[in-house]
Amino acid sequence: EPEVTQTPSHQVTQMGQEVILRCVPISNHLYFYWYRQILGQKVEFLVSFYNNEISEKSEIFDDQFSVERPDGSNFTLKIRSTKLEDSAMYFCASSLGLALPGELFFGEGSRLTVL
Amino acid sequence: KNEVEQSPQNLTAQEGEFITINCSYSVGISALHWLQQHPGGGIVSLFMLSSGKKKHGRLIATINIQEKHSSLHITASHPRDSAVYICAVRQTGNQFYFGTGTSLTVIP
Repeated sequence: EPEVTQTPSHQVTQMGQEVILRCVPISNHLYFYWYRQILGQKVEFLVSFYNNEISEKSEIFDDQFSVERPDGSNFTLKIRSTKLEDSAMYFCASSLGLALPGELFFGEGSRLTVL
Repeated sequence: KNEVEQSPQNLTAQEGEFITINCSYSVGISALHWLQQHPGGGIVSLFMLSSGKKKHGRLIATINIQEKHSSLHITASHPRDSAVYICAVRQTGNQFYFGTGTSLTVIP
């Protein structure tokens, strides 16, 4: 069964460092998403991406965050200068589309720890 | 912004019981998703609804668009159903809002 894969599963970084989280969505999916979940809190939407551009972003997704689909298969989330409060589980998801059933398929998550 | 409320926050049931988890939201949506988060953290999509009712195995999801309310039912609950169940709504466009989740424990 096709699945969304994320790497790394866990990353530890120093405050101020740049981090790139990688995702490989399901190959025929058109919409890609990043969500985060701070420990003990609810899942929060960060950004959605379609047709090589951001379609929606939340107020969390400020200038420190960026997304890219560099090669048609990977979908990356970059955090330019990490802060302690960026420590969270980051989930990538993809869906086939909006007009067709837009069921979300999630990756297993990347846990980011900022020290 | 869409306020998504789930109830109850925590639920303990005996194996075999019928379970209902509720979700209400404040602003019109294009779709509502029910998700299951396993103890290890992974998230699985259970249903996507824009109207009516869907059934998959022992799981049933309903939505009332006029009342801005959805329910997730689990029939004949089993300990393996123990997880956090999350309601998420998608507004026009592709912005999502999540509930805080309902933590379900099914006791053998």
